[in-house]
Amino acid sequence: DVKVTQSSRYLVKRTGEKVFLECVQDMDHENMFWYRQDPGLGLRLIYFSYDVKMKEKGDIPEGYSVSREKKERFSLILESASTNQTSMYLCASRGDRAEAFFGQGTRLTVV
Amino acid sequence: DQQVKQNSPSLSVQEGRISILNCDYTNSMFDYFLWYKKYPAEGPTFLISISSIKDKNEDGRFTVFLNKSAKHLSLHIVPSQPGDSAVYFCAAPYSSGSARQLTFGSGTQLTVLP
Repeated sequence: DVKVTQSSRYLVKRTGEKVFLECVQDMDHENMFWYRQDPGLGLRLIYFSYDVKMKEKGDIPEGYSVSREKKERFSLILESASTNQTSMYLCASRGDRAEAFFGQGTRLTVV
Repeated sequence: DQQVKQNSPSLSVQEGRISILNCDYTNSMFDYFLWYKKYPAEGPTFLISISSIKDKNEDGRFTVFLNKSAKHLSLHIVPSQPGDSAVYFCAAPYSSGSARQLTFGSGTQLTVLP
């Protein structure tokens, strides 16, 4: 079974803090993704990576950056957290098949 | 602009009856479609998929139908069970940049009433 693990289930951060969300997958997948889920908006892609040190912007990259130093790990960074970044963050990985496998999600609240 | 649309934000169905969740898409180049199920405070889990060369795919209680001329797909759950209550997302892979991504609809909250 593919396992995608996100480092935290729940986080509360203050406005202006730098926030790191970590994601690890154990299936040697090339592709990894960060989405956020908001009510009525579905899953929106923030960034993705198709190889180590390679990254591309998704639909809503503003205010975020990413890091992929190792194949199994993909980190999402909120440079200066703001209240409109309060959301559910979902990491996913995908191999050769079309379906992506998701982590359990991180519910981030910025106060 | 959303390429995959789910126009019904919610659906309530009685236990044992059929649940039909709908999804429309705009990109005729999509060659594959997926359905995901999501419980609160959990990540989405893959449910069932269909290739664009087929018009139906069945897996137990779940069947997905694809109507390419109408650019429409639907997920049928028969019989519906209370444990099926979740948000359902349809998704399609597309190529952008150097990798294939998944674009998702906005989701439909299914509630199965006991």
